[in-house]
Amino acid sequence: AQSVTQLDSHVSVSEGTPVLLRCNYSSSYSPSLFWYVQHPNKGLQLLLKYTSAATLVKGINGFEAEFKKSETSFHLTKPSAHMSDAAEYFCVVSALALRNAGNMLTFGGGTRLMVKP
Amino acid sequence: DAGITQSPRHKVTETGTPVTLRCHQTENHRYMYWYRQDPGHGLRLIHYSYGVKDTDKGEVSDGYSVSRSKTEDFLLTLESATSSQTSVYFCAISVLLAVTTNTGELFFGEGSRLTVL
Repeated sequence: AQSVTQLDSHVSVSEGTPVLLRCNYSSSYSPSLFWYVQHPNKGLQLLLKYTSAATLVKGINGFEAEFKKSETSFHLTKPSAHMSDAAEYFCVVSALALRNAGNMLTFGGGTRLMVKP
Repeated sequence: DAGITQSPRHKVTETGTPVTLRCHQTENHRYMYWYRQDPGHGLRLIHYSYGVKDTDKGEVSDGYSVSRSKTEDFLLTLESATSSQTSVYFCAISVLLAVTTNTGELFFGEGSRLTVL
């Protein structure tokens, strides 16, 4: 089985301050891990992915995440928040195989990031 | 942009009526997925398809059926809509070279918001 827990449903930061969105996962297999972002009334867009290469992963728009196997964590960070970062963020684990269709994605419940001016 | 179009984007219907949501893609991708998004649950897989006439169930398939008669179209049908199916529905595709190389990265449509009264 696999599961994802996003530890905060809402995070509020001021523009220019660091962002930390927390994610813990569990998986019986070696997982791939992703962060997706969803802006209001839009579909999801891939921010970054970890697939067993470097444990520190850099994504778009200045975001990065570090895979820590010992802590089963994949927290998302950004040094300085921008107003345009306000969105919902989903941590995703991919490990279980779907029959005939690659891996199954399991989504966390999402973290809504608010950025104050 | 993976050329994914969902229709309708918004629909209000009554309990007990049938509803069909359409996902159309323009790039001949083999693998297509239907997810539903509900607050606190992230996205959950309803059904997926790995080719024309080849479909399988996801984790929340009860009350839903799908069809794929052409590569470009993947239809999701609620035979008799219930209020618990009020949700936002997302279609997604994955770009694969082979099943074993799928790491789970998906491209999403912009969603179809369904309200069942």
